[in-house]
Amino acid sequence: DGGITQSPKYLFRKEGQNVTLSCEQNLNHDAMYWYRQDPGQGLRLIYYSQIVNDFQKGDIAEGYSVSREKKESFPLTVTSAQKNPTAFYLCASTQGQEPNEKLFFGSGTQLSVL
Amino acid sequence: AQRVTQPEKLLSVFKGAPVELKCNYSYSGSPELFWYVQYSRQRLQLLLRHISRESIKGFTADLNKGETSFHLKKPFAQEEDSAMYYCALRNTGFQKLVFGTGTRLLVSP
Repeated sequence: DGGITQSPKYLFRKEGQNVTLSCEQNLNHDAMYWYRQDPGQGLRLIYYSQIVNDFQKGDIAEGYSVSREKKESFPLTVTSAQKNPTAFYLCASTQGQEPNEKLFFGSGTQLSVL
Repeated sequence: AQRVTQPEKLLSVFKGAPVELKCNYSYSGSPELFWYVQYSRQRLQLLLRHISRESIKGFTADLNKGETSFHLKKPFAQEEDSAMYYCALRNTGFQKLVFGTGTRLLVSP
């Protein structure tokens, strides 16, 4: 069954703690993205990666970090520097570089602060 | 800068009524426009894109460059259309997709 898998579904973070959200895809897609979804604010881009070992900051990258060591995986770390981490996080991917390509989304991770 | 504006947070209509979800964008070049939909308990997914000029589930959207709009329309709403709808824009030079704040469509029987 091809697709994008995000884990865990729910995650809780303690004060000062770093947490990592997993995103794995078996679609053989080159580009991967992390979005943050907040009520009333839509989806905002955190980081994106067009190819292995390369990634770029999105609009709200502060307090987050990513890596892209493998084509299939694009984990997102929410660091202690992110002061308002509670949100729904969505991972997505596209096959190539064409502007009109659609994004495939994962089912999301809800992160909450204890 | 790229920006997508969806002025309505909530649109409530009765079954069989026409629906128009508004989307305006700001971008100086030639954008690619999309509508994504998120049904309850389902993943966000592509509904349609302007380049395809397609009708999906009875929905259409026309890119109006003069008014910088990409409104989503359906002549007769169905209850199963109830969902969150996001308009999105990608410019031709970069890969990032910019989303609007979304409009929740509620279709009542």
